[in-house]
Amino acid sequence: EAGVVQSPRYKIIEKKQPVAFWCNPISGHNTLYWYLQNLGQGPELLIRYENEEAVDDSQLPKDRFSAERLKGVDSTLKIQPAELGDSAVYLCASSRQGAQETQYFGPGTRLLVL
Amino acid sequence: QKEVEQDPGPLSVPEGAIVSLNCTYSNSAFQYFMWYRQYSRKGPELLMYTYSSGNKEDGRFTAQVDKSSKYISLFIRDSQPSDSATYLCAMRSSNTGKLIFGQGTTLQVKP
Repeated sequence: EAGVVQSPRYKIIEKKQPVAFWCNPISGHNTLYWYLQNLGQGPELLIRYENEEAVDDSQLPKDRFSAERLKGVDSTLKIQPAELGDSAVYLCASSRQGAQETQYFGPGTRLLVL
Repeated sequence: QKEVEQDPGPLSVPEGAIVSLNCTYSNSAFQYFMWYRQYSRKGPELLMYTYSSGNKEDGRFTAQVDKSSKYISLFIRDSQPSDSATYLCAMRSSNTGKLIFGQGTTLQVKP
């Protein structure tokens, strides 16, 4: 079984530029999560999807962050414009519906904003 | 105060030692307790999952939950250099799908 796929693995951009991250979850996993992980910290949930519906986006900074999961499979997270403080690792995870305890994480995208 | 507290370490032990990793929490509604292992530049990997109080054993790993003290532990027996990683505790309540993570404890097992 293929794991969660994320791309790109690394991204360096200048502040005020846009950036997008892509995630393909494990086949059959209806629930998809985007997390932010700062250095030396645990992941923090940004948004959770059940199929195409965003069921928890309370921690997503909506002034600059957006996400979509149009067909209920892969997902894109966008930042526009990026700020210096957005430098972090962006993790995508997926799970079967109703099985939030067993989330499978991708390798993450490491973002550096200069 | 954070909902989940975890000592960041680092914790350094010799190979073969018994390792004890711990988290405390403040939200009495937490019912599900997880331990994840994260290698450098990798995503977290689920190690153990426990519902409510009690112990759970899986090979060299034992997870304990003491809800009365709001305290969870992960024990690693016969630790190996390959166990060197960051260990994250995570938990959630039954009425929300949101996992709350500790900040992680960095473990180094020296040969």
